[in-house]
Amino acid sequence: DAKTTQPNSMESNEEEPVHLPCNHSTISGTDYIHWYRQLPSQGPEYVIHGLTSNVNNRMASLAIAEDRKSSTLILHRATLRDAAVYYCTLFTTSGTYKYIFGTGTRLKVLA
Amino acid sequence: ETGVTQSPTHLIKTRGQQVTLRCSSQSGHNTVSWYQQALGQGPQFIFQYYREEENGRGNFPPRFSGLQFPNYSSELNVNALELDDSALYLCASSLDGNRYNEQFFGPGTRLTVL
Repeated sequence: DAKTTQPNSMESNEEEPVHLPCNHSTISGTDYIHWYRQLPSQGPEYVIHGLTSNVNNRMASLAIAEDRKSSTLILHRATLRDAAVYYCTLFTTSGTYKYIFGTGTRLKVLA
Repeated sequence: ETGVTQSPTHLIKTRGQQVTLRCSSQSGHNTVSWYQQALGQGPQFIFQYYREEENGRGNFPPRFSGLQFPNYSSELNVNALELDDSALYLCASSLDGNRYNEQFFGPGTRLTVL
């Protein structure tokens, strides 16, 4: 199975940009990259997803490496409400549909 | 628009018992996925149902089984419970269950196996 690797934790100051990296060197050509975040005592919340091109939405930007072996979630201006565990996820259809979550990065935002 | 709901919120079982967890998907969604999340870990994909058929499965034994109903609500059944089955069980719904669409998660059911 493909897998994703993320740093265990990161810190950021409020109002500053945050770059959350993810390695997925075993990704297949048709796998989509999804990002979710999870606040304490809640289910994960969708953030953004993409295939090859960089993507932007109201929450964040997703930068995907040209070889697709890594990606970076960018929060343009971190707020205290962005403190959460961020999961880099692959949606794979190799053989059968499957979502593969990583171990997540716990983001701490400092006031 | 009603979000994803799960029941019960908490459950305590003993080893060897069977358990059924329930999920109501978001209005208009025809796909449900189930996940197991151990403490401090990321969610692990159990399986996905699209229009009442299982179309995806993770690395879980057959004692984890599911069902999706015509109204797209879903059940997760776990037989012969083991201590390691203690976890938060998450349900997520989406439209068409494919790589293009985001999933909406419920709050989860906390299962404790003694």
